[in-house]
Amino acid sequence: KQEVTQIPAALSVPEGENLVLNCSFTDSAIYNLQWFRQDPGKGLTSLLLIQSSQREQTSGRLNASLDKSSGRSTLYIAASQPGDSATYLCAVMRDTDKLIFGTGTRLQVFP
Amino acid sequence: DVKVTQSSRYLVKRTGEKVFLECVQDMDHENMFWYRQDPGLGLRLIYFSYDVKMKEKGDIPEGYSVSREKKERFSLILESASTNQTSMYLCASSSYMNTEAFFGQGTRLTVV
Repeated sequence: KQEVTQIPAALSVPEGENLVLNCSFTDSAIYNLQWFRQDPGKGLTSLLLIQSSQREQTSGRLNASLDKSSGRSTLYIAASQPGDSATYLCAVMRDTDKLIFGTGTRLQVFP
Repeated sequence: DVKVTQSSRYLVKRTGEKVFLECVQDMDHENMFWYRQDPGLGLRLIYFSYDVKMKEKGDIPEGYSVSREKKERFSLILESASTNQTSMYLCASSSYMNTEAFFGQGTRLTVV
């Protein structure tokens, strides 16, 4: 059974820091991996999608990498800002398009 | 932009009521999903649909049913609401080709 773990569970950093969020999964037979952002009481916003054949994806200050063989993905946030404060979720897609989610990393960036 | 719209942000219902949660997407996506999100348990899949009138059970289908009569609309039905169904409900859609999932804004359901 696929399990997805995110470390750390919570992170508090000063504005301007570069930071790395980690996601690990137990079964390397994934179709893709997706990173989301969730603000309190809101839905999920898609940040990056990495197909299983890809190693990384970039969008602005965000870079996500994927290492299927080791069952890991990282989300790198450059020059963090208070507006980046949110919960970040990773999810892996198995066959039939269903996503399995990690429990998230709650990020706070203070001025 | 892809838009997934859930009919209500907040709902309060009484125990035993039949509850309908509606979700509409505007990108002609084949796949649609219903998740619930609870503190400490994360997101769990209730049901999903990969085509009109097609549905499959997710990990926690008990107490729920779904309906997909049109491609753009996916409804979640609580046949007889119970207090343990108090939760945040999230709808999502994706396409066969791209597989990137897009979520609605969520419905916070409270059953009293």
